[in-house]
Amino acid sequence: AQSVTQLGSHVSVSEGALVLLRCNYSSSVPPYLFWYVQYPNQGLQLLLKYTTGATLVKGINGFEAEFKKSETSFHLTKPSAHMSDAAEYFCAVIQAGGYNKLIFGAGTRLAVHP
Amino acid sequence: DGGITQSPKYLFRKEGQNVTLSCEQNLNHDAMYWYRQDPGQGLRLIYYSQIVNDFQKGDIAEGYSVSREKKESFPLTVTSAQKNPTAFYLCASSPEPGQYNEQFFGPGTRLTVL
Repeated sequence: AQSVTQLGSHVSVSEGALVLLRCNYSSSVPPYLFWYVQYPNQGLQLLLKYTTGATLVKGINGFEAEFKKSETSFHLTKPSAHMSDAAEYFCAVIQAGGYNKLIFGAGTRLAVHP
Repeated sequence: DGGITQSPKYLFRKEGQNVTLSCEQNLNHDAMYWYRQDPGQGLRLIYYSQIVNDFQKGDIAEGYSVSREKKESFPLTVTSAQKNPTAFYLCASSPEPGQYNEQFFGPGTRLTVL
């Protein structure tokens, strides 16, 4: 069965510092991977996705993620954190074989300090 | 503007009552989904529907029911059989469920049982 592990339920960075949110997945087939962001009391918004092709994926708001098959990872990064990046971030993988089911990680809450 | 709407945003229920959460989309998407979100647990799939008049149970369907009479609507009923219904409920949709497309999320409904 496929699964997603996000290391660190809470991450805190200073404004202007590098953001690194970790995601590891398990999948027996080539994965389709997603990062979503959720602001308080709102729905989820897609940041970026990896399906096939280039392993470095660029998303909205300056975020990017690199698919590393050998490490089964899809870590999310941003070179310089902004206060508006404070939110909860979810990594997800599509379950193979059917109906587009998304398997979510438990989420990482990012705090940005001035 | 195209999107997904959920209503109400906040809902309070007395124990023993059934309540229905609304989800409407004007994206012309075939597939629709209901998730439950609890702190520290990510999102868990309740029900999904790939086409009108058809739906399947997700991972935590007990105590919930749905209908899909129209393509744009997928209401969720939380019944009195649901033991712990207080949570944040998110509706999502995606085009062509077999094509590994991302899901688009509504703004959510926060249900509190008094």
